[in-house]
Amino acid sequence: GENVEQHPSTLSVQEGDSAVIKCTYSDSASNYFPWYKQELGKGPQLIIDIRSNVGEKKDQRIAVTLNKTAKHFSLHITETQPEDSAVYFCAASKGNAGNMLTFGGGTRLMVKP
Amino acid sequence: KAGVTQTPRYLIKTRGQQVTLSCSPISGHRSVSWYQQTPGQGLQFLFEYFSETQRNKGNFPGRFSGRQFSNSRSEMNVSTLELGDSALYLCASSGGTNTGELFFGEGSRLTVL
Repeated sequence: GENVEQHPSTLSVQEGDSAVIKCTYSDSASNYFPWYKQELGKGPQLIIDIRSNVGEKKDQRIAVTLNKTAKHFSLHITETQPEDSAVYFCAASKGNAGNMLTFGGGTRLMVKP
Repeated sequence: KAGVTQTPRYLIKTRGQQVTLSCSPISGHRSVSWYQQTPGQGLQFLFEYFSETQRNKGNFPGRFSGRQFSNSRSEMNVSTLELGDSALYLCASSGGTNTGELFFGEGSRLTVL
């Protein structure tokens, strides 16, 4: 089955700096790659996603890049703010797998004011 | 629009007992997925239901089961509880038939003593 690895497991940045989280996946049939943010005591919330027919997608301060050949994708957050502090999860899915996601292990991002 | 509602939010059981968790999806959503979240294993897919049919199942023992009702509400059951079943159980609903945004509830935190 699919295996998703995520690095780093913890990331500490200064407010205003950029943060990058990287994920690799194993199944070349995966074609949907969402990123979720989980704040303390809450369920994960989708922040951005990308499909395999696109190499990059941007939404304000957040961007995701996908390299299908290397089977890795990354989340980029620019101008970080304290409210960006949370646990971020990458995930992968196949188009014919319903809503079944395989998640990475998570990255705890801490933004210091 | 109300979000995904999970009950109960917290519960404590002892080994050997069974537990039933409930999930009410966002109105109009027909897909309900269940995930187990633990510090050691991260977020792991349990199963997905769509229109009362199990569409996907993860790699969990048969002690874990679920069902979906005609109003899309879902329940999951864990029988013969083990200490390792202590986890946050997250329910997610989706309006689409295939890979798209999952809307997570806040979870049911199960502690097995």
